Amino acid sequence: QITLKESGPTLVKPTQTLTLTCTFSGFSLSTSGVGVGWIRQPPGKALEWLALIYWDDDKRYSPSLKSRLTITKDTSKNQVVLTMTNMDPVDTATYYCAHSRPADYDILTGYYNGYYFDYWGQGTLVTVSS
Amino acid sequence: SYELTQPPSVSVSPGQTARITCSGDALPKKYAYWYQQKSGQAPVLVIYEDSKRPSGIPERFSGSSSGTMATLTISGAQVEDEADYYCYSTDSSGNRHVVFGGGTKLTVL
Repeated sequence: QITLKESGPTLVKPTQTLTLTCTFSGFSLSTSGVGVGWIRQPPGKALEWLALIYWDDDKRYSPSLKSRLTITKDTSKNQVVLTMTNMDPVDTATYYCAHSRPADYDILTGYYNGYYFDYWGQGTLVTVSS
Repeated sequence: SYELTQPPSVSVSPGQTARITCSGDALPKKYAYWYQQKSGQAPVLVIYEDSKRPSGIPERFSGSSSGTMATLTISGAQVEDEADYYCYSTDSSGNRHVVFGGGTKLTVL
């Protein structure tokens, strides 16, 4: 059974750095094809993908937030950490972490045909305010 | 950056068929996925790889994709299907960047 849970501060001040931890169980981040991602959702607004880290330590970031994000993994602790610098009130949102799995495997190219989120944490609301 | 475009809202009466579209230039080559999010809850995957249904998702949910448009169809929509629906796919530049659509609010009343 795959479970994920986000943890971190509920309130941060503008200009501070946010550090969120995703603690998971039921899978290993050393398994080929597996990843963990972060997605956020401002109140009343759409989902926004932030970052993904894959089993091979490949890291991908949203182009619009790349300069502010860092994602790391600790495979032995079953944790993924996201840091976001220079927080602003517009960053107030519920932050989710999610398990990523590969789509089907393309024999011709030798690659997976993409990755998608199949299990999500409950989310954690982070408010940015002075 | 790559974008997936969805209509902001769709409204149907109970028992009718609801169709939610998602357009994106890379969809002819990339799979589309659909997530359902009810108020105050985390998203739930309802369609993966264009048209496959995860275990536990009712058969009334189906997906299709043709050209640059993917469609989520809910046949015989129920009141409990009222939710926000998000399409998702892989960035056209590769397989490891991802993107969500802007979401569609489905009203069933």
